[in-house]
Amino acid sequence: GAVVSQHPSWVICKSGTSVKIECRSLDFQATTMFWYRQFPKQSLMLMATSNEGSKATYEQGVEKDKFLINHASLTLSTLTVTSAHPEDSSFYICSARDRKSSGANVLTFGAGSRLTVL
Amino acid sequence: AQSVTQLGSHVSVSEGALVLLRCNYSSSVPPYLFWYVQYPNQGLQLLLKYTSAATLVKGINGFEAEFKKSETSFHLTKPSAHMSDAAEYFCAVMGDTGRRALTFGSGTRLQVQP
Repeated sequence: GAVVSQHPSWVICKSGTSVKIECRSLDFQATTMFWYRQFPKQSLMLMATSNEGSKATYEQGVEKDKFLINHASLTLSTLTVTSAHPEDSSFYICSARDRKSSGANVLTFGAGSRLTVL
Repeated sequence: AQSVTQLGSHVSVSEGALVLLRCNYSSSVPPYLFWYVQYPNQGLQLLLKYTSAATLVKGINGFEAEFKKSETSFHLTKPSAHMSDAAEYFCAVMGDTGRRALTFGSGTRLQVQP
């Protein structure tokens, strides 16, 4: 079945530094990838939608200059948290939609990346 | 906008007992509905999905859900709980237009007592 690899699974960084999280579709091409954020004991909140070769669409309240999303190929999307601060500490999860079944309604999720900013 | 509401942030059952996790949706058109399970520090695993083909949907691990339009509900059930079912469960809805992202409910943590 479809597999999405997300890396790193854990990252700790100092305040003010930038962190990049990768999301790869291993056995399919993803036309669309979604980035979610999950605070402890809370639900997943959609941050942005990225389509290959175009700019990401951000949800209201999400700073696009802080959370840089790049979807340069059909198998890779990256989320860069720039100038990270402790309040950016969270669990970030990506999901992808298979290009071959673009009309389908099933998304495959990565295992998530836990970011801790000191 | 489409949304789902999960009633009960915590549900505790005994091993072998019936599991019932509640989800109600708000949608002006027939929605696509999903149940996902999340284990600690992991991503989401799809349990089952409703796409209008059948109102009773069977999923993995013995779970099933019934779509009831009259009640705008999509409750998740399992006849007999197992210790390994302890996890966080999310109900989600997807629109059929636009970006077609998933919107999640607030989640229900299932505890299974021995």
